[in-house]
Amino acid sequence: GESVGLHLPTLSVQEGDNSIINCAYSNSASDYFIWYKQESGKGPQFIIDIRSNMDKRQGQRVTVLLNKTVKHLSLQIAATQPGDSAVYFCAENRNYGQNFVFGPGTRLSVLP
Amino acid sequence: DAGITQSPRYKITETGRQVTLMCHQTWSHSYMFWYRQDLGHGLRLIYYSAAADITDKGEVPDGYVVSRSKTENFPLTLESATRSQTSVYFCASSPGPSNQPQHFGDGTRLSIL
Repeated sequence: GESVGLHLPTLSVQEGDNSIINCAYSNSASDYFIWYKQESGKGPQFIIDIRSNMDKRQGQRVTVLLNKTVKHLSLQIAATQPGDSAVYFCAENRNYGQNFVFGPGTRLSVLP
Repeated sequence: DAGITQSPRYKITETGRQVTLMCHQTWSHSYMFWYRQDLGHGLRLIYYSAAADITDKGEVPDGYVVSRSKTENFPLTLESATRSQTSVYFCASSPGPSNQPQHFGDGTRLSIL
């Protein structure tokens, strides 16, 4: 299996509960943010994005909140399911070039 | 639904050998990227390409070479592999400039002995 992420912070939630995964970003000039999901042995999968002119964006069962004052991003997953078990990480794009900066991630473990 | 494919999925080689990792995308995306993923680090950008025949260095380019003769392919070569290059390598693509999601392949796990 995938060895990346063995020492990541872990969030354990009961199936059916809501999950909140947090991310602090580093650059106040960042203007675009993405949440990715990475399952074992797979590449990162796009979940949802948000631009700096928004505070909240909703998708299917997921919501991203952006607090630019404290440079904080969160991902909320409603009614967490076993298939949501994965590593989640945020990425920030600084307003030049193609360079996203990726966080190290949080492992979400869904308990039956 | 082909998307972006990487090959090989697993590779073991020896120090000093040359190894090439392949990346192919079927979306005709202009931009392509190579990242490495290591314990304790987020994804780190090695090289990227804005179009065929246009490449540029990322955060950790030393020891790597890229080319992009065709839009759909973006191979990454380790000219003389070192143990520090043992990692999981991901290729990604996006349709345009910044502020658009990048779409990733499933990675190549490379071990250098």
